[in-house]
This record gives sequence, structure tokens and C-alpha cells, in this order.
Amino acid sequence: GAVVSQHPSWVICKSGTSVKIECRSLDFQATTMFWYRQFPKQSLMLMATSNEGSKATYEQGVEKDKFLINHASLTLSTLTVTSAHPEDSSFYICSARDPSGGFGTQYFGPGTRLTVL
Amino acid sequence: DQQVKQNSPSLSVQEGRISILNCDYTNSMFDYFLWYKKYPAEGPTFLISISSIKDKNEDGRFTVFLNKSAKHLSLHIVPSQPGDSAVYFCAALFSGNTPLVFGKGTRLSVIA
Repeated sequence: GAVVSQHPSWVICKSGTSVKIECRSLDFQATTMFWYRQFPKQSLMLMATSNEGSKATYEQGVEKDKFLINHASLTLSTLTVTSAHPEDSSFYICSARDPSGGFGTQYFGPGTRLTVL
Repeated sequence: DQQVKQNSPSLSVQEGRISILNCDYTNSMFDYFLWYKKYPAEGPTFLISISSIKDKNEDGRFTVFLNKSAKHLSLHIVPSQPGDSAVYFCAALFSGNTPLVFGKGTRLSVIA
């Protein structure tokens, strides 16, 4: 079946540094990818919608200058957390929709655990 | 305002019995509903979906029922197995290339 990968699976960084998370669709080309964030025991909160070749659409309350999204190709989207702070520590999950599969074929990556010290 | 609600944060079921997970939604314009299963520190995995024009979809041990008039759907797992223990998210989708709207999840524990 379709696979979405994320790298790294976990990262620990110092406060003030930037961290890049990659999301790749391995079996299909994804014109749209989504970035979610999950706090412990909470639901998945949509952060932004990433469209290949255009600017990402951010949800209300998500700082676009802090969470930079680049969707440079049909199989890769990146999320960069700039000047990370401890409150950015979270589980970040990307997903990609297979356009050939119709509704319901949105696949999720395994997630990236970010810890900011 | 939460459009997709899972009011039970947790559920415990005996192995072999039926697990029923419930989900309510507020927006009657949703076109598609999906259930995802999630283990800790992993991404959600797709389980089963249902179109808004149907009232039932079955896939092996998993059946999803949709009651549009009540804006309610449920996931039935029978028989429940210990490996089913996970957090189950209900999600809804509009037509077009729009993101999923998730509920808060229900933690299912299947006791052997």
C-alpha cells in the first residue's frame, strides 16, 4: 500500500535552533500534503496545508514565519521549526493524499517527536 | 467549535466481545467519514471509511454505521482482540482537496 515516510523520527535540539522535518510520499505523487501536531492525549491539530509549487495555507493561530513549509516536489514537503523553544516540543505528523485513490486515501507518516531543551 | 466529537475518551472491552466507538459531528456538509487507529509515537493508520450517501460499510471485523439524521457514526469491532488496543480517531472530510477534521480520539483497551 501507499507509504508516507518522515525523517527524522525524533530530534532533540537546543532552544533557539532550527529543525527541519521531511515528509515523503513513496508510492505516489502528492500535490497536497498536510502537517499536523499532536500534544499528549490530544487530537491531531492541523497546522497547515502544503501545496506543491505554491505557498502553504496555515490554520488560524499557526505562525507561518515560525513553521516554514516548503513543498518543492510532488513527493517531498518539509516543515522547518525556526528558533525552536520548549513549547514547540510536540509530535509532528505529516500526511499525503493519493490523488488517484479518491476520497479516504490520505496516508500518514510515522511522526516526528521534537524535544526542545 | 469542534465539528467532530468523540465524547468517550476511553473504552474497555473484553476480548471476543464487541467494541463500539461513537462519533458525532455538527456539519451536515461533510461528504466522507473515516476511522483511523493510532498507536503511541506512530502516525495514524486508516481503518475504514464511509461515504455520506451510505449508511453502512463493512470490512472484515470492522463495520461503520452512519446515521445522517442524528449526525452520528459508530465503529463496531467484532470480535475484539488485544491487538485492537489503541486510540481510535474519527475524522470527517468535505469534497475536494480539503484536510481531515479529527475528533479527539477514544482509547480502546481490549482485555484478554
